[in-house]
Amino acid sequence: NAGVTQTPKFRVLKTGQSMTLLCAQDMNHEYMYWYRQDPGMGLRLIHYSVGEGTTAKGEVPDGYNVSRLKKQNFLLGLESAAPSQTSVYFCASTPRGASNQPQHFGDGTRLSIL
Amino acid sequence: SQKIEQNSEALNIQEGKTATLTCNYTNYSPAYLQWYRQDPGRGPVFLLLIRENEKEKRKERLKVTFDTTLKQSLFHITASQPADSATYLCALDIGNYGQNFVFGPGTRLSVLP
Repeated sequence: NAGVTQTPKFRVLKTGQSMTLLCAQDMNHEYMYWYRQDPGMGLRLIHYSVGEGTTAKGEVPDGYNVSRLKKQNFLLGLESAAPSQTSVYFCASTPRGASNQPQHFGDGTRLSIL
Repeated sequence: SQKIEQNSEALNIQEGKTATLTCNYTNYSPAYLQWYRQDPGRGPVFLLLIRENEKEKRKERLKVTFDTTLKQSLFHITASQPADSATYLCALDIGNYGQNFVFGPGTRLSVLP
């Protein structure tokens, strides 16, 4: 089992460029999440999905869009990248929606916006 | 604004001692609190979960306490080893439906040989 796989691992963009981060999980989990991690801030929830075809906003959704066309994949898009979006992005999944479900994380995508 | 606080950004201890990390939260009534370990360049890895009606939870050298009156959780690593050096995060679901997990900023633990 690969668990949660994120691609790419690193990326450098110029301001205004667009890109899509891919998250894939092979555990048949229902819930998937996108976080960003910045120094001293902790992980902050961008968007999440409670199942195939559904998405919802988290704490910091502005500037990002997501899609969950297949249960195993959760895509995070930046339409027009800004320097403030320089961060490490983590995807996570849980079997179902409950507070006692451990989150399974990928190893992150390190994104720099110049 | 910070929703969860962890006692310090960094903590250095000697090998063999007990490390104690603190997680404080405000304005929530979580049913569960979780602890994760994060190594440099890697994603967080789940360690332990404690319920609101559990005073203490143990797993090998790890112990977690949860005081809902103080709104605080303590995470202990006994007989610490250099391999325990990592950043430790606490997290809770403020919505209680698995849809809104909030993480603390983490405490970077260094165990010195």
